[in-house]
Amino acid sequence: AQSVTQPDIHITVSEGASLELRCNYSYGATPYLFWYVQSPGQGLQLLLKYFSGDTLVQGIKGFEAEFKRSQSSFNLRKPSVHWSDAAEYFCAVGGGGYNKLIFGAGTRLAVHP
Amino acid sequence: DTAVSQTPKYLVTQMGNDKSIKCEQNLGHDTMYWYKQDSKKFLKIMFSYNNKELIINETVPNRFSPKSPDKAHLNLHINSLELGDSAVYFCASSRYQETQYFGPGTRLLVL
Repeated sequence: AQSVTQPDIHITVSEGASLELRCNYSYGATPYLFWYVQSPGQGLQLLLKYFSGDTLVQGIKGFEAEFKRSQSSFNLRKPSVHWSDAAEYFCAVGGGGYNKLIFGAGTRLAVHP
Repeated sequence: DTAVSQTPKYLVTQMGNDKSIKCEQNLGHDTMYWYKQDSKKFLKIMFSYNNKELIINETVPNRFSPKSPDKAHLNLHINSLELGDSAVYFCASSRYQETQYFGPGTRLLVL
Protein backbone atom coordinates (compact mmCIF):
# COMPACT_ATOMS: atom_id res chain seq x y z
CA ALA A 1 0.00 0.00 0.00
CA GLN A 2 1.14 3.51 -0.72
CA SER A 3 2.11 5.53 2.34
CA VAL A 4 4.23 8.43 3.52
CA THR A 5 5.86 8.65 6.93
CA GLN A 6 7.11 11.83 8.50
CA PRO A 7 8.75 10.60 11.71
CA ASP A 8 8.98 14.00 13.41
CA ILE A 9 5.71 15.56 14.52
CA HIS A 10 7.34 18.68 15.96
CA ILE A 11 10.77 20.18 15.37
CA THR A 12 12.18 23.29 16.99
CA VAL A 13 15.27 25.02 15.66
CA SER A 14 16.98 28.31 16.32
CA GLU A 15 16.94 30.98 13.68
CA GLY A 16 20.00 30.63 11.48
CA ALA A 17 20.42 26.93 12.22
CA SER A 18 20.23 24.26 9.56
CA LEU A 19 17.14 22.13 9.10
CA GLU A 20 16.35 18.64 7.88
CA LEU A 21 12.82 17.25 7.77
CA ARG A 22 12.53 13.54 7.16
CA CYS A 23 10.18 11.79 4.78
CA ASN A 24 9.97 8.10 3.93
CA TYR A 25 7.58 6.65 1.40
CA SER A 26 6.21 3.33 0.29
CA TYR A 27 5.17 3.21 -3.35
CA GLY A 28 5.03 0.42 -5.89
CA ALA A 29 6.24 2.31 -8.93
CA THR A 30 8.51 5.26 -9.59
CA PRO A 31 7.13 7.93 -7.30
CA TYR A 32 6.48 11.56 -7.86
CA LEU A 33 7.49 13.29 -4.62
CA PHE A 34 6.49 16.66 -3.26
CA TRP A 35 7.00 18.94 -0.30
CA TYR A 36 4.26 21.42 0.55
CA VAL A 37 4.23 24.05 3.29
CA GLN A 38 1.18 25.30 5.16
CA SER A 39 1.38 28.49 7.21
CA PRO A 40 -1.21 28.91 9.98
CA GLY A 41 -4.67 29.43 8.55
CA GLN A 42 -3.38 29.23 4.99
CA GLY A 43 -3.50 26.83 2.08
CA LEU A 44 -0.72 24.56 0.87
CA GLN A 45 2.15 26.03 -1.10
CA LEU A 46 4.41 23.85 -3.22
CA LEU A 47 8.03 24.03 -2.10
CA LEU A 48 9.57 21.58 -4.55
CA LYS A 49 8.95 18.38 -6.45
CA TYR A 50 10.80 15.38 -7.86
CA PHE A 51 9.59 13.59 -10.97
CA SER A 52 12.82 12.22 -12.46
CA GLY A 53 16.41 13.15 -13.24
CA ASP A 54 18.76 14.83 -10.79
CA THR A 55 18.02 13.45 -7.34
CA LEU A 56 18.83 16.76 -5.62
CA VAL A 57 16.07 19.23 -6.32
CA GLN A 58 15.97 22.90 -5.51
CA GLY A 59 12.82 24.66 -4.44
CA ILE A 60 11.57 28.03 -3.38
CA LYS A 61 12.62 29.90 -0.24
CA GLY A 62 16.07 28.27 -0.23
CA PHE A 63 14.82 24.72 0.35
CA GLU A 64 16.21 21.61 -1.30
CA ALA A 65 15.41 17.91 -1.09
CA GLU A 66 17.25 14.76 -2.02
CA PHE A 67 15.60 11.64 -3.42
CA LYS A 68 17.28 8.44 -2.23
CA ARG A 69 15.67 5.43 -3.88
CA SER A 70 17.66 2.93 -1.80
CA GLN A 71 16.34 4.46 1.41
CA SER A 72 12.87 5.34 0.08
CA SER A 73 13.46 8.83 1.40
CA PHE A 74 12.92 12.39 0.26
CA ASN A 75 14.28 14.60 3.03
CA LEU A 76 13.87 18.36 2.98
CA ARG A 77 16.78 20.61 3.93
CA LYS A 78 17.55 24.26 4.42
CA PRO A 79 21.00 25.55 5.43
CA SER A 80 19.79 28.52 7.48
CA VAL A 81 16.27 28.79 8.84
CA HIS A 82 14.41 32.11 9.05
CA TRP A 83 11.68 32.90 11.57
CA SER A 84 9.20 33.08 8.68
CA ASP A 85 9.81 29.37 7.95
CA ALA A 86 7.73 28.41 10.99
CA ALA A 87 4.87 26.38 9.51
CA GLU A 88 3.58 22.87 8.92
CA TYR A 89 5.47 20.87 6.28
CA PHE A 90 3.89 18.03 4.34
CA CYS A 91 5.62 15.40 2.25
CA ALA A 92 3.48 13.73 -0.41
CA VAL A 93 3.83 10.95 -2.96
CA GLY A 94 1.84 10.74 -6.18
CA GLY A 95 1.88 9.37 -9.66
CA GLY A 96 0.21 6.51 -11.36
CA GLY A 97 -2.91 6.76 -13.41
CA TYR A 98 -4.68 9.61 -11.69
CA ASN A 99 -1.92 11.24 -9.66
CA LYS A 100 -3.64 10.76 -6.34
CA LEU A 101 -1.51 12.44 -3.69
CA ILE A 102 -0.83 10.54 -0.47
CA PHE A 103 0.27 12.89 2.29
CA GLY A 104 2.34 12.34 5.38
CA ALA A 105 1.02 13.48 8.74
CA GLY A 106 3.08 16.66 8.61
CA THR A 107 5.93 18.13 10.65
CA ARG A 108 5.33 21.30 12.59
CA LEU A 109 8.39 23.54 12.57
CA ALA A 110 8.92 26.14 15.29
CA VAL A 111 11.75 28.66 15.00
CA HIS A 112 13.30 30.25 18.07
CA PRO A 113 14.81 33.72 17.75
CA ASP B 1 -4.95 36.97 -9.73
CA THR B 2 -5.79 34.03 -7.52
CA ALA B 3 -4.94 30.75 -9.23
CA VAL B 4 -7.24 28.44 -7.24
CA SER B 5 -10.01 30.14 -5.29
CA GLN B 6 -12.61 28.75 -2.92
CA THR B 7 -15.79 30.19 -1.49
CA PRO B 8 -16.67 30.56 1.23
CA LYS B 9 -13.50 30.76 3.30
CA TYR B 10 -15.39 30.02 6.51
CA LEU B 11 -18.62 28.13 6.95
CA VAL B 12 -20.39 27.67 10.28
CA THR B 13 -23.62 25.70 10.22
CA GLN B 14 -25.90 23.45 12.23
CA MET B 15 -26.05 19.68 12.12
CA GLY B 16 -28.46 18.40 9.52
CA ASN B 17 -28.09 21.35 7.16
CA ASP B 18 -27.01 21.10 3.52
CA LYS B 19 -24.14 23.27 2.30
CA SER B 20 -21.99 23.79 -0.79
CA ILE B 21 -18.40 24.84 -1.30
CA LYS B 22 -17.27 26.25 -4.62
CA CYS B 23 -13.87 26.07 -6.29
CA GLU B 24 -12.59 27.83 -9.37
CA GLN B 25 -9.20 27.72 -11.09
CA ASN B 26 -7.83 30.05 -13.75
CA LEU B 27 -4.71 28.02 -14.54
CA GLY B 28 -6.14 26.26 -17.56
CA HIS B 29 -5.82 22.89 -15.82
CA ASP B 30 -7.96 19.92 -16.77
CA THR B 31 -7.99 18.07 -13.46
CA MET B 32 -9.42 19.21 -10.12
CA TYR B 33 -9.49 17.63 -6.68
CA TRP B 34 -11.11 17.86 -3.26
CA TYR B 35 -9.09 17.04 -0.15
CA LYS B 36 -10.18 16.98 3.48
CA GLN B 37 -7.86 18.06 6.30
CA ASP B 38 -9.01 16.88 9.70
CA SER B 39 -8.36 18.40 13.12
CA LYS B 40 -5.00 16.62 13.32
CA LYS B 41 -3.94 18.22 10.03
CA PHE B 42 -4.13 14.91 8.17
CA LEU B 43 -4.88 15.42 4.46
CA LYS B 44 -6.82 12.88 2.46
CA ILE B 45 -8.12 12.98 -1.07
CA MET B 46 -11.87 12.73 -1.55
CA PHE B 47 -12.58 13.22 -5.24
CA SER B 48 -10.96 14.12 -8.52
CA TYR B 49 -12.37 15.20 -11.87
CA ASN B 50 -10.58 15.18 -15.21
CA ASN B 51 -12.31 17.08 -18.00
CA LYS B 52 -15.55 17.01 -16.01
CA GLU B 53 -15.35 13.25 -15.54
CA LEU B 54 -15.10 11.73 -12.05
CA ILE B 55 -11.84 9.74 -11.89
CA ILE B 56 -11.16 9.40 -8.17
CA ASN B 57 -13.88 8.64 -5.66
CA GLU B 58 -12.43 7.61 -2.33
CA THR B 59 -14.40 6.05 0.47
CA VAL B 60 -16.51 9.07 1.24
CA PRO B 61 -20.10 9.05 2.60
CA ASN B 62 -22.60 9.54 -0.19
CA ARG B 63 -23.77 12.69 1.60
CA PHE B 64 -20.84 14.28 -0.23
CA SER B 65 -21.49 14.94 -3.90
CA PRO B 66 -19.01 16.71 -6.16
CA LYS B 67 -20.10 18.44 -9.33
CA SER B 68 -17.95 19.82 -12.13
CA PRO B 69 -19.94 22.09 -14.46
CA ASP B 70 -16.82 22.79 -16.54
CA LYS B 71 -13.06 22.23 -16.39
CA ALA B 72 -12.49 25.39 -14.37
CA HIS B 73 -15.00 24.68 -11.60
CA LEU B 74 -15.49 21.94 -9.06
CA ASN B 75 -18.12 22.24 -6.36
CA LEU B 76 -18.73 20.10 -3.30
CA HIS B 77 -22.21 19.68 -1.91
CA ILE B 78 -22.70 18.13 1.52
CA ASN B 79 -26.10 16.90 2.69
CA SER B 80 -27.23 16.35 6.26
CA LEU B 81 -24.07 17.73 7.82
CA GLU B 82 -22.65 15.88 10.83
CA LEU B 83 -20.28 17.00 13.58
CA GLY B 84 -17.54 14.83 12.06
CA ASP B 85 -17.67 16.79 8.83
CA SER B 86 -15.98 19.70 10.58
CA ALA B 87 -12.65 20.10 8.81
CA VAL B 88 -10.79 22.20 6.29
CA TYR B 89 -11.64 21.32 2.71
CA PHE B 90 -9.04 22.06 0.06
CA CYS B 91 -9.56 22.26 -3.64
CA ALA B 92 -6.60 21.65 -5.95
CA SER B 93 -6.00 21.62 -9.67
CA SER B 94 -3.38 20.32 -12.07
CA ARG B 95 -2.67 19.38 -15.61
CA TYR B 96 -3.35 15.67 -15.90
CA GLN B 97 -0.78 13.76 -13.82
CA GLU B 98 1.22 16.88 -13.06
CA THR B 99 1.82 19.07 -10.01
CA GLN B 100 -1.25 19.97 -7.96
CA TYR B 101 -1.84 23.55 -6.84
CA PHE B 102 -4.04 24.14 -3.83
CA GLY B 103 -6.62 26.71 -2.94
CA PRO B 104 -6.73 28.55 0.40
CA GLY B 105 -9.17 26.12 1.98
CA THR B 106 -12.70 26.33 3.37
CA ARG B 107 -12.97 25.95 7.13
CA LEU B 108 -16.23 24.16 7.92
CA LEU B 109 -17.53 24.03 11.46
CA VAL B 110 -20.66 22.00 12.18
CA LEU B 111 -22.38 22.80 15.48
